[in-house]
Amino acid sequence: NAGVTQTPKFRILKIGQSMTLQCAQDMNHNYMYWYRQDPGMGLKLIYYSVGAGITDKGEVPNGYNVSRSTTEDFPLRLELAAPSQTSVYFCASSFGRTMNTEAFFGQGTRLTVV
Amino acid sequence: AQKVTQAQTEISVVEKEDVTLDCVYETRDTTYYLFWYKQPPSGELVFLIRRNSFDEQNEISGRYSWNFQKSTSSFNFTITASQVVDSAVYFCALSEGSGYSTLTFGKGTMLLVSP
Repeated sequence: NAGVTQTPKFRILKIGQSMTLQCAQDMNHNYMYWYRQDPGMGLKLIYYSVGAGITDKGEVPNGYNVSRSTTEDFPLRLELAAPSQTSVYFCASSFGRTMNTEAFFGQGTRLTVV
Repeated sequence: AQKVTQAQTEISVVEKEDVTLDCVYETRDTTYYLFWYKQPPSGELVFLIRRNSFDEQNEISGRYSWNFQKSTSSFNFTITASQVVDSAVYFCALSEGSGYSTLTFGKGTMLLVSP
């Protein structure tokens, strides 16, 4: 059982480049989330989705875009990478709202923008 | 707005010592859930416990125990007889009951257990 799979695990981008962080889950979860983790700052919510075709902004959405065309996939798009986006990105999923069910996290993607 | 505060940035103990990690939360909701996650040096997030706002019973799981006190808005985590493998960053998190609830995390406490 794969759970939540994120690709790539590591990436170095140049300022202004674009990329997509991939996230897939095989648990048929409705809810999916993207968090970023900066040193000493905990995890902050970027975007979330409550089902295919439905997405909403979290606490720090600027500079990012998401889409949810299927239940399984929730890619995160960086259009014009900036050094401030250097971070570790975590994708997560849950069957219901996180208040009711456990959220499962991917292994993370470490992104460096130079 | 919901908020989670973990005032201890880093704690160092020697193996077999007991250690308590503090967590204080803020929320206007009467229904909410509290969580603890562990992040070992390998980087993944490991779920430890979920507690709802109506259940103030303390929880014990092996060497781990949790003390939930609504009167002080705290959800503290104690590791008894700590081991080197307990070295990790520990996050406390809150999910409110209203709307599309998402997890709000504290900044984390780094625990270093020395042999």
